[in-house]
Amino acid sequence: GEDVEQSLFLSVREGDSSVINCTYTDSSSTYLYWYKQEPGAGLQLLTYIFSNMDMKQDQRLTVLLNKKDKHLSLRIADTQTGDSAIYFCAESIHDYKLSFGAGTTVTVRA
Amino acid sequence: SQTIHQWPATLVQPVGSPLSLECTVEGTSNPNLYWYRQAAGRGLQLLFYSIGIDQISSEVPQNLSASRPQDRQFILSSKKLLLSDSGFYLCAWGQRMNEQFFGPGTRLTVL
Repeated sequence: GEDVEQSLFLSVREGDSSVINCTYTDSSSTYLYWYKQEPGAGLQLLTYIFSNMDMKQDQRLTVLLNKKDKHLSLRIADTQTGDSAIYFCAESIHDYKLSFGAGTTVTVRA
Repeated sequence: SQTIHQWPATLVQPVGSPLSLECTVEGTSNPNLYWYRQAAGRGLQLLFYSIGIDQISSEVPQNLSASRPQDRQFILSSKKLLLSDSGFYLCAWGQRMNEQFFGPGTRLTVL
């Protein structure tokens, strides 16, 4: 089983905010990441947060980290059709490795 | 700037045939290199990683192998493909402890 868990699907109306949630298990993780995968493509690193931070904002993206609950979220403001993709949460674990969630498929409807 | 290439982009192979997927990185030296497999509709499974030219670690015992003939080249191979080897194969590189950047992927279909 995976150590990082995400809900599998999210449907959002264009212009609304999207919130993708993730829980992880390794309390020693130093970095947590959000990746985006468009159909047929590789993964694109969207943003990351260091474990001693609780929030990071980058244009339309806001990452919130609750280290006590091991909960990570990604908020996309003013969601556009180009935001339709699979979003992966990942935590850094030992030996240069990342542990990925199964991915949340975000569908933006008009 | 750094770029990562994977070749080929798509591949259709019969069961029992050999496999060789190539990954190359430009614009950096001594990168950490990774091979992942993504089955349809599922997350990423780490297959191999390498933190140096003579250091390759296998995560999942199977009929696949990896080699690193040059500092920025990572090869995924198999002597005899199985149906279950079908999937989307992703190569990634990293420079710092954990950050990883992915290539465009190779779609493998084994018939």
